[in-house]
Amino acid sequence: DADVTQTPRNRITKTGKRIMLECSQTKGHDRMYWYRQDPGLGLRLIYYSFDVKDINKGEISDGYSVSRQAQAKFSLSLESAIPNQTALYFCATSDSGLVAETQYFGPGTRLLVL
Amino acid sequence: QKEVEQDPGPLSVPEGAIVSLNCTYSNSAFQYFMWYRQYSRKGPELLMYTYSSGNKEDGRFTAQVDKSSKYISLFIRDSQPSDSATYLCAMSGNSGGSNYKLTFGKGTLLTVNP
Repeated sequence: DADVTQTPRNRITKTGKRIMLECSQTKGHDRMYWYRQDPGLGLRLIYYSFDVKDINKGEISDGYSVSRQAQAKFSLSLESAIPNQTALYFCATSDSGLVAETQYFGPGTRLLVL
Repeated sequence: QKEVEQDPGPLSVPEGAIVSLNCTYSNSAFQYFMWYRQYSRKGPELLMYTYSSGNKEDGRFTAQVDKSSKYISLFIRDSQPSDSATYLCAMSGNSGGSNYKLTFGKGTLLTVNP
């Protein structure tokens, strides 16, 4: 089984709808991240969480919110989706106990907002 | 000047060729340097990471870091069609506990032709 899973893998929604993307991990890592990837813009950090009670905004958090339900679960919500939130979304994890905090990515969620 | 610059390509080579992928950066605080491989419609997969300057080899892959020039490279020997993917460089610093924050290049699209 994959260490980092994301659901759904693909989602089509309409402008104004609220949607939630979910991420689960079995790696036992304490830190989790949400990124979006757009052609020509690369990966951009939306939110990150160091543990269940420590959540921080990344470089592009406007229009998004997150919830860390447990060490292994981190969800991303779009409160009122808009077309420019159409992108590929990735969840990632890392272990703060390692000197080199390499991040491990999930398979991604492809979101289309009409 | 952007923190990390990476030529987007595309780069097309024949099977068996030696491939050189590169990134330059401007932040002298970066200490950890990573290469990720991303297949189409998949999440980034960690290939290799190095600390500070020097070389690291793993099979057909060699990562080099030249901190004096702020330049990192990934070499792929005997390239195979299965190496066709987008390659992302990423880096982080260790000042003030900021190892978690990765700065990514935008990726180079590589195609290895049979």
